[in-house]
Amino acid sequence: DTGVSQNPRHKITKRGQNVTFRCDPISEHNRLYWYRQTLGQGPEFLTYFQNEAQLEKSRLLSDRFSAERPKGSFSTLEIQRTEQGDSAMYLCASSLDLSDYRETQYFGPGTRLLVL
Amino acid sequence: AQKITQTQPGMFVQEKEAVTLDCTYDTSDQSYGLFWYKQPSSGEMIFLIYQGSYDEQNATEGRYSLNFQKARKSANLVISASQLGDSAMYFCAMREGDNFNKFYFGSGTKLNVKP
Repeated sequence: DTGVSQNPRHKITKRGQNVTFRCDPISEHNRLYWYRQTLGQGPEFLTYFQNEAQLEKSRLLSDRFSAERPKGSFSTLEIQRTEQGDSAMYLCASSLDLSDYRETQYFGPGTRLLVL
Repeated sequence: AQKITQTQPGMFVQEKEAVTLDCTYDTSDQSYGLFWYKQPSSGEMIFLIYQGSYDEQNATEGRYSLNFQKARKSANLVISASQLGDSAMYFCAMREGDNFNKFYFGSGTKLNVKP
C-alpha cells in the first residue's frame, strides 16, 4: 500500500448536480478524515470516521453533504445539489488510532471540484 | 480566536540558505501535537515534522527542524540549505481535543526558493 488514494482527481459539474468522491486510506489506518480546502487557505475539517463510525461532523457539513465508510475501509463523500460555493479541493487523510497527540495524518492527493 | 496563525503569506529565500517559517498556536490543552505539512502545486499534503507538547527537545527531520517555544506558543519551521524543490505552500497544524480528533490548520506560507 503506497498511501492514501482519491478518485476522481478532478471533477467538473453543473450547479444542481450530485457528485461523489472516493477515498481509499492506508490499509492499516482505522481513522479517516475529510477536509475542504479553498484557494489560499488551509484545509478545513469536515468529518471523521473511526472504523465505520462517523464520530464527528463540522458545522461546515451542510445537509447536502453526506459521508460514509460502510466497511471501515474506503469512504465516500457525496454532495447533493451542488452550488458554486462548493468548488474547492476535497482532501482525505488517514491515521492509525493511537488516541494520542502524536498521531499523524497522511493525506491523499485530493479531488478538485469545480461547479459551473 | 484563530487556533493556528501563520503571519507570513509569502517568503523568498536564496537557494542554499536557511529560512524560518513562523507559526503560533492557541490552546488551553496540556496535551497537543504540532505538525508541519508541505503542499506543492500538485496539491498533495506531505507530512514533514511533528512536535509533541511534552517533548523537551526540538524535533528534527533531515533539513527540517522545529523551533518549539512552549511559553510563547510558537512552533516555527526551520528549513536549512534550501533547495529549489522546497518551493511550495507550508502549513502549520495542531491536534488537540479529548480524543485528539481535532485538527486545525493555519492559512499557510508560500515559500519561493530563488536560484
